[in-house]
Amino acid sequence: GQNIDQPTEMTATEGAIVQINCTYQTSGFNGLFWYQQHAGEAPTFLSYNVLDGLEEKGRFSSFLSRSKGYSYLLLKELQMKDSASYLCAVRENYGQNFVFGPGTRLSVLP
Amino acid sequence: EAGVTQFPSHSVIEKGQTVTLRCDPISGHDNLYWYRRVMGKEIKFLLHFVKESKQDESGMPNNRFLAERTGGTYSTLKVQPAELEDSGVYFCASSPTGGFVFGNTIYFGEGSWLTVV
Repeated sequence: GQNIDQPTEMTATEGAIVQINCTYQTSGFNGLFWYQQHAGEAPTFLSYNVLDGLEEKGRFSSFLSRSKGYSYLLLKELQMKDSASYLCAVRENYGQNFVFGPGTRLSVLP
Repeated sequence: EAGVTQFPSHSVIEKGQTVTLRCDPISGHDNLYWYRRVMGKEIKFLLHFVKESKQDESGMPNNRFLAERTGGTYSTLKVQPAELEDSGVYFCASSPTGGFVFGNTIYFGEGSWLTVV
């Protein structure tokens, strides 16, 4: 079956670092994606991992371990505008059918 | 460049009525997807068009849902008759041809919020 888990909510302080974890069990794997979604807006692409290791893009980094079915999104130097939901999604095969996790609602406090 | 646009942004209808949601993908994107998020649940795949053809409709919940993409441009998703459990946010997304390119993602619209009362 398909199962993707993320913490429901997290809180962090402006300027801090936060790590959002994602574990997955899917029938296939062709990449793990992280999206950011502000309330009432479209999910927007943040990062993509298909090989094990760390991908860094500015203040955002994403890590993948395929053997453990595990990924995390690391946000550094948190800003108030980073308050949003963060969605972990797995592309199961060579199609574009994404399986989404429930999302993690991050609140950044001053 | 315009992103994925969806209409209406919000809709409130009574149980048993019909609603049609429209999606205009990014210009030139052959791949078009419908997803939905019902209250408290994760975003779930409904179906995938490649141009005007349905590539995968395994996520369509039942025959009250009908998706079309005549001419391979915009798409409509009709719910008839609507039930209470159909309430949620319906997202459309698109991606370019050759969607299996390394790292290629899909681009979402802001969603159509449907409330069935």
